[in-house]
Amino acid sequence: GQSLEQPSEVTAVEGAIVQINCTYQTSGFYGLSWYQQHDGGAPTFLSYNALDGLEETGRFSSFLSRSDSYGYLLLQELQMKDSASYFCAVRDEPNSWGKLQFGAGTQVVVTP
Amino acid sequence: DAGVIQSPRHEVTEMGQEVTLRCKPISGHDYLFWYRQTMMRGLELLIYFNNNVPIDDSGMPEDRFSAKMPNASFSTLKIQPSEPRDSAVYFCASSAQQGYNSPLHFGNGTRLTVT
Repeated sequence: GQSLEQPSEVTAVEGAIVQINCTYQTSGFYGLSWYQQHDGGAPTFLSYNALDGLEETGRFSSFLSRSDSYGYLLLQELQMKDSASYFCAVRDEPNSWGKLQFGAGTQVVVTP
Repeated sequence: DAGVIQSPRHEVTEMGQEVTLRCKPISGHDYLFWYRQTMMRGLELLIYFNNNVPIDDSGMPEDRFSAKMPNASFSTLKIQPSEPRDSAVYFCASSAQQGYNSPLHFGNGTRLTVT
């Protein structure tokens, strides 16, 4: 079967660093994406990794190791506005842009 | 750009009634997706279109659900008859065929409650 595993919740204080891990088992792999969703809002795209290594976008970075079927999202210099759910998602078909398998999401709670 | 536009934002209906959800994708995007989000099942893909043609509807729960895309700027998801277990947030998303990194752009969703 197909599965994406990520922690259900992470709590950290403002200014801290949080790492959200994602392990996946899918029929195919054509990239790992991360999306952020605030309560009551729409998921919004954060990052994408197709190749091994680290991608950095401001305070957020994403890492992928295809040999380990593993990736993570790193949130640095946490701010209150970063309190949200974060989803990893795998594209498991080569030509279906945007057809994604989503993980269950990790709720990040940032405290003062 | 206005982004993906969905209507209505909230829908409350009684079991057995027909429900129609609407979506306007971002202009120029070739792909349109309908996702459903619930606490139990998370975000799950129902159906997606490429250039207005349904490509994969394997996620559609049953025959009560149907989706259409009559043109590049409009899609509907219809549930007939609706049941309480259909209560969820339904998201429409679009993406452009620009290479291997084509992020999904989600609308704000329709929160459906079936009583």
